[in-house]
Amino acid sequence: ETGVTQTPRHLVMGMTNKKSLKCEQHLGHNAMYWYKQSAKKPLELMFVYNFKEQTENNSVPSRFSPECPNSSHLFLHLHTLQPEDSALYLCASSQGLAGYYEQYFGPGTRLTVT
Amino acid sequence: GQNIDQPTEMTATEGAIVQINCTYQTSGFNGLFWYQQHAGEAPTFLSYNVLDGLEEKGRFSSFLSRSKGYSYLLLKELQMKDSASYLCAVIGNAGNMLTFGGGTRLMVKP
Repeated sequence: ETGVTQTPRHLVMGMTNKKSLKCEQHLGHNAMYWYKQSAKKPLELMFVYNFKEQTENNSVPSRFSPECPNSSHLFLHLHTLQPEDSALYLCASSQGLAGYYEQYFGPGTRLTVT
Repeated sequence: GQNIDQPTEMTATEGAIVQINCTYQTSGFNGLFWYQQHAGEAPTFLSYNVLDGLEEKGRFSSFLSRSKGYSYLLLKELQMKDSASYLCAVIGNAGNMLTFGGGTRLMVKP
């Protein structure tokens, strides 16, 4: 257990569905991140939040919409996804921004888009 | 742009030493991380280098040469549980963004 939880752990959705991924950190950290991990591709940063404010959007399509209501919770809202969006979505947190602090990762949500 | 290269796979024997290399070409440099990821699990932090030289932490050591854009992770006294993917990641000029290499899948055999 890293202190970062993610739900659901597995999700299957159709291309017309709307779903949300949830991440919660119990470490008192100020920065939270969403990553995408696809087979045979590097772990890819999607969004960065620091003190609830989005500081980075790594050119992510608008069908992915993040929300950070407070420093402990992070959501990723999904709609009209494509099959190529099937991947493991990892949430992470750090005490401060990534340049100086290690990140703690959650177990991920395995997403399959049919 | 950012480019981080690592070997895709390596195999080593239990009890041996293995060195996993990482080369990077990035827009600026503010630190390099190594993470370990077991199959089906989350990545976990191993080491952080920002200055040149060797950082030792138990059986694991990490080396950095900023002038060469090069790092390695050294694993000593290999154990079966060390079978995992090892991810090299760099912070460039955009200090908020960690860029990962593709990872090196290490298989430790008896």
